[in-house]
Amino acid sequence: DQQVKQNSPSLSVQEGRISILNCDYTNSMFDYFLWYKKYPAEGPTFLISISSIKDKNEDGRFTVFLNKSAKHLSLHIVPSQPGDSAVYFCAAWGNRDDKIIFGKGTRLHILP
Amino acid sequence: SQTIHQWPATLVQPVGSPLSLECTVEGTSNPNLYWYRQAAGRGLQLLFYSVGIGQISSEVPQNLSASRPQDRQFILSSKKLLLSDSGFYLCAWSTSGIYNEQFFGPGTRLTVL
Repeated sequence: DQQVKQNSPSLSVQEGRISILNCDYTNSMFDYFLWYKKYPAEGPTFLISISSIKDKNEDGRFTVFLNKSAKHLSLHIVPSQPGDSAVYFCAAWGNRDDKIIFGKGTRLHILP
Repeated sequence: SQTIHQWPATLVQPVGSPLSLECTVEGTSNPNLYWYRQAAGRGLQLLFYSVGIGQISSEVPQNLSASRPQDRQFILSSKKLLLSDSGFYLCAWSTSGIYNEQFFGPGTRLTVL
């Protein structure tokens, strides 16, 4: 049973436009969410996070939105740049575990 | 500053052979340690995590095992590799407790033939 779902395996966006990556979760006990970015043959790197007490967190070109009632979060990248081409993983913490649950990832292609 | 090392970077092994992947962390003490696998077309699957020396939690049944002989050393092993064990293996660490981001190592690409 997948608790963190990224239903789009891939996404293509024109350079300069907005990239929107979506993530859904099923466990209402999740209360902290993270996005990781991964290039091929490298480990993922932390990008941005959001606590369940917020509905938005912004860091430069990256903004994460959280809709708790819908159990949905999204990562917005604007403007999209070629270096943003990577796999993006959504992840969630429960408040009793020492582990993060990752989604399957979405591969983002930024088109020139 | 903290760093995490994994070796080897790539490995090609025949079916039925043993496996040992090593991960070490520098610059921190008593970290939580994790082994993940990213298989082709799949996401990051948590295999094992450890909150202390000798403490291993297994997330999925498999023919792999993990050990933590020292505070900052985490080892992934198998006695007999299967074809399905091919994938990209990632070690990660975090400070103990919750809501702490995990920091990943560079990964090991394992191909089982």
